[in-house]
Amino acid sequence: NAGVTQTPKFQVLKTGQSMTLQCAQDMNHNSMYWYRQDPGMGLRLIYYSASEGTTDKGEVPNGYNVSRLNKREFSLRLESAAPSQTSVYFCASSDPGLNYEQYFGPGTRLTVT
Amino acid sequence: QKEVEQNSGPLSVPEGAIASLNCTYSDRGSQSFFWYRQYSGKSPELIMSIYSNGDKEDGRFTAQLNKASQYVSLLIRDSQPSDSATYLCAVKEEGGSGGSNYKLTFGKGTLLTVNP
Repeated sequence: NAGVTQTPKFQVLKTGQSMTLQCAQDMNHNSMYWYRQDPGMGLRLIYYSASEGTTDKGEVPNGYNVSRLNKREFSLRLESAAPSQTSVYFCASSDPGLNYEQYFGPGTRLTVT
Repeated sequence: QKEVEQNSGPLSVPEGAIASLNCTYSDRGSQSFFWYRQYSGKSPELIMSIYSNGDKEDGRFTAQLNKASQYVSLLIRDSQPSDSATYLCAVKEEGGSGGSNYKLTFGKGTLLTVNP
């Protein structure tokens, strides 16, 4: 099992450009999450999907949209990137049957210039 | 806003010593607690979960939970240089509506350095 995979690993965007970060899990988990991690700020939840067909805002949703494409895939879209969105983005998944333990992907390092 | 507090460190211990990492949380109703290890430039990795008051041991790691004091800790015995990392405490939200019970609140982490 690959666990949680994310693409791309690195990305540089110019201000105003758009992009989609992809996440997939092969553990048959119901719930998926997008976090950003910045120095001194810890992990902050952007959006989450408790189950297929549902999405909810987290702590810092502004400037982002998400799509839960199916049970395996959860994408994060930046419509008009800003330098404040320079960060490391992590996707995670969990399942009630596993006491909601979250398992993380390797991350995407995004720089917006 | 539910809060999880950790000392940011750095916590520096000599090789072979016991490292003690602490975490407090604000939501008295919390029932599930997790410790993650994050090496520099890598993603968080789950190392321990604890749900009941008392101690839970797994190899060199012991998690301790005291719900009355809203306190959870992680002890690392016989610390090794390979244990040098940032340790994140996470607490599962309880009692919310819809899917909010699926969320974890993370502390900002404690940087541990184990010196050879």
